[in-house]
Amino acid sequence: AQSVAQPEDQVNVAEGNPLTVKCTYSVSGNPYLFWYVQYPNRGLQFLLKYITGDNLVKGSYGFEAEFNKSQTSFHLKKPSALVSDSALYFCAVAPGYSSASKIIFGSGTRLSIRP
Amino acid sequence: GAVVSQHPSWVICKSGTSVKIECRSLDFQATTMFWYRQFPKQSLMLMATSNEGSKATYEQGVEKDKFLINHASLTLSTLTVTSAHPEDSSFYICSALRDYPSDEQFFGPGTRLTVL
Repeated sequence: AQSVAQPEDQVNVAEGNPLTVKCTYSVSGNPYLFWYVQYPNRGLQFLLKYITGDNLVKGSYGFEAEFNKSQTSFHLKKPSALVSDSALYFCAVAPGYSSASKIIFGSGTRLSIRP
Repeated sequence: GAVVSQHPSWVICKSGTSVKIECRSLDFQATTMFWYRQFPKQSLMLMATSNEGSKATYEQGVEKDKFLINHASLTLSTLTVTSAHPEDSSFYICSALRDYPSDEQFFGPGTRLTVL
């Protein structure tokens, strides 16, 4: 069965410090991997995705994620956190070759950046 | 970029009434749309896949007679919560699949439903 895990419910980081939000996945075949951000009472905003190619994917707002096939991980990173990055972050996977496949979401990680 | 809208953004209704939520792809056609439900402080759970011109495909455990989905055009899918009850209160999010130039899902802003 396909699944995605975000082991941390909350991550707290001081502004200016690097941040990492962890994600691991389990899927047969080659997955599409995504990161989305959600602000309170808002829908999801796309940050980045991995389909194939370079393992380091750069996305919106200075975020990047590294695909690690051997560890089945897709951790989200940013070199220097901003207070405005505080939000709920979802890792997601779409099994197979097409993003038309059902997207399976992780449980979410709340990122809190303190000034 | 591709834009998906939802209407209404929030709705309050009495128990026993029906509520219709619209999902529109504003600048692309979508043969496939998805409906998700999100409980407070929880992740998104896929409810159903909406296919233009055909019946929706519901996930296990989702009552198709309670959550009616209609995808009558390539830019519009509707979700009707019939005989709503307080336990149906939730945040409902749709996404639309854009086939060209690359197949990618775009999410709507969500609809907050509160059933009194």
